[in-house]
Amino acid sequence: EVQLLESGGGLVQPGGSLRLSCAAYGMTFGSYAMSWVRQAPGEGLEWVSDVSGSGDSTYYADSVKGRFTISRDNSKNILYLQMNSLRADDTAVYYCANLYFGTHAFDIWGQGTMVTVS
Amino acid sequence: SYVLTQPPSVSVAPGQTARITCGGNNIGTKSVHWYQQKPGQAPVLVVYDDSDRPPGLPERLSGSNSGNTATLSINRVEAGDEADYYCQVWDVNDLHVFGSGTKVTVL
Repeated sequence: EVQLLESGGGLVQPGGSLRLSCAAYGMTFGSYAMSWVRQAPGEGLEWVSDVSGSGDSTYYADSVKGRFTISRDNSKNILYLQMNSLRADDTAVYYCANLYFGTHAFDIWGQGTMVTVS
Repeated sequence: SYVLTQPPSVSVAPGQTARITCGGNNIGTKSVHWYQQKPGQAPVLVVYDDSDRPPGLPERLSGSNSGNTATLSINRVEAGDEADYYCQVWDVNDLHVFGSGTKVTVL
């Protein structure tokens, strides 16, 4: 069974940093592009960032460009999101997800990790 | 920027059909994906590429897409279908774009 497990969330002061991790199980991790999607309390879904299967290509939403960095370690089956210069409006549940083969649909989602900037 | 418009809420009686719309400029030229999210849970992909269902998803859920509107239909609605539903597309400029979500209430 494919499973994604996020960790690393918590409470951080404005301007601070945090690194999220997403461990993948039951999948050929390096074969999949991976993404981070976030959801502020009571709000909708917002795409944050993508990384290709090899890790060579990365993409960011304008709202996080220059502050967040996505990366992956295919030897450990782990996806990362380094978040710097955090702001109050970064407060959200952060989900990792893999992109369904040949589509831009988010297939399997983790349970999410909460980040609070205050 | 590319905008997807969804109604905030849809109410439907058990056994009836719920239709959730997702409006966007020439959305018919894009592939639309739909997610179901129940309270306190992660989203679940229920329809991809306009009308395809991931393995194990019930045939009661179906999608269509034409012109400026995509639609997710839930036939024979059950209490367990009560959730928020989000549409999503990929846009060459904005990359992944989500709709604002529709809360489906089963009466």
